[in-house]
Amino acid sequence: GQNIDQPTEMTATEGAIVQINCTYQTSGFNGLFWYQQHAGEAPTFLSYNVLDGLEEKGRFSSFLSRSKGYSYLLLKELQMKDSASYLCAVSPYNTDKLIFGTGTRLQVFP
Amino acid sequence: GAVVSQHPSWVICKSGTSVKIECRSLDFQATTMFWYRQFPKQSLMLMATSNEGSKATYEQGVEKDKFLINHASLTLSTLTVTSAHPEDSSFYICSARDVALGSEQYFGPGTRLTVT
Repeated sequence: GQNIDQPTEMTATEGAIVQINCTYQTSGFNGLFWYQQHAGEAPTFLSYNVLDGLEEKGRFSSFLSRSKGYSYLLLKELQMKDSASYLCAVSPYNTDKLIFGTGTRLQVFP
Repeated sequence: GAVVSQHPSWVICKSGTSVKIECRSLDFQATTMFWYRQFPKQSLMLMATSNEGSKATYEQGVEKDKFLINHASLTLSTLTVTSAHPEDSSFYICSARDVALGSEQYFGPGTRLTVT
């Protein structure tokens, strides 16, 4: 099975950098996704890691280490609108489905 | 592109009644659709995977007779919550995937169900 853990809540200041970690125990997966979700809305896709290493996409970067069983999402130059929940998810081998982590609620303060 | 809609966006129903939620892919053909449930301040829990023209695959602990899923076409899947109870009150979100578009799932805006 998959146990995918994230910190429940984090706070940060506008303009700062924040790293949201995701640790997992899974038998194997195709790739790891990060989604952003504002309250009452659908998740929106941020990034997808298949290979180990860093994927950079503007202010957001995501890192994966399969051997260490963790990923992180790095948010730079934080803005107030970045206050949201951030969800990591894995796609198990031979399936199309996504198994989501526990989610992290990020609050950005001025 | 890759827009997914859900209808209704919110619904209130009485205990014991059934509610149908529609999920449509507007500008692509969804070979696979997924249904999730999300309780307040919690993450998304996958309920079932549905492929067009075949029976849905339910996750462990999800009652298939209570949550009826139909994926009659490549652009429409429906979730019917039968004999709803207050504990079924939740945010139901669908997502859709087209293999031609890659691995990403595209999420609908969600449906807020409240059972009184």
